[in-house]
Amino acid sequence: RKEVEQDPGPFNVPEGATVAFNCTYSNSASQSFFWYRQDCRKEPKLLMSVYSSGNEDGRFTAQLNRASQYISLLIRDSKLSDSATYLCVVNKLGGGADGLTFGKGTHLIIQP
Amino acid sequence: DAMVIQNPRYQVTQFGKPVTLSCSQTLNHNVMYWYQQKSSQAPKLLFHYYDKDFNNEADTPDNFQSRRPNTSFCFLDIRSPGLGDAAMYLCATSRRPGTSSYEQYFGPGTRLTVT
Repeated sequence: RKEVEQDPGPFNVPEGATVAFNCTYSNSASQSFFWYRQDCRKEPKLLMSVYSSGNEDGRFTAQLNRASQYISLLIRDSKLSDSATYLCVVNKLGGGADGLTFGKGTHLIIQP
Repeated sequence: DAMVIQNPRYQVTQFGKPVTLSCSQTLNHNVMYWYQQKSSQAPKLLFHYYDKDFNNEADTPDNFQSRRPNTSFCFLDIRSPGLGDAAMYLCATSRRPGTSSYEQYFGPGTRLTVT
């Protein structure tokens, strides 16, 4: 099983729709979870951290399910500018400065 | 207000010719990371420094080395670049562990071409 798995997509979604991605991770000791956004030929940028209780930031909602080892990202009222690759990211080990393990990303295309 | 700076943004080198990529940060973060990202793939961690302590990933080729002369700077040296080393190289920083978040701040990357 890959360390972090995502559906690569692409997800083609009409503007204004709601879209959701899931991501599974293999290391049950992982403690930190993030969603990063990466635009074409640019560096990854932190979109949001994912907390155990779930968290919301505007149109974006992230949830963590430790029992099933997956995290999710929900985007409501999608905008054209949301088109990007969304990377699911997990700490490599249980904690510490061990770097991050990235999923390959889910490619999202918002269509007018 | 640049926080993580990478130079150069684009680098062309010849097969087998040593090349050095540079990263600097103004965040005073303790940890600095180097990732390699090839087209349509996830960023892959090569190594990181936690202060002066170097931590190499098990599958990072010996061809890749790193130096961190001080808190602000970190270098990636590729001793003998091969065609397969063409990629985007991303530098990132984070605060020391023990904080509630390990979020990393990425530089804009250096795109390396090997001819």
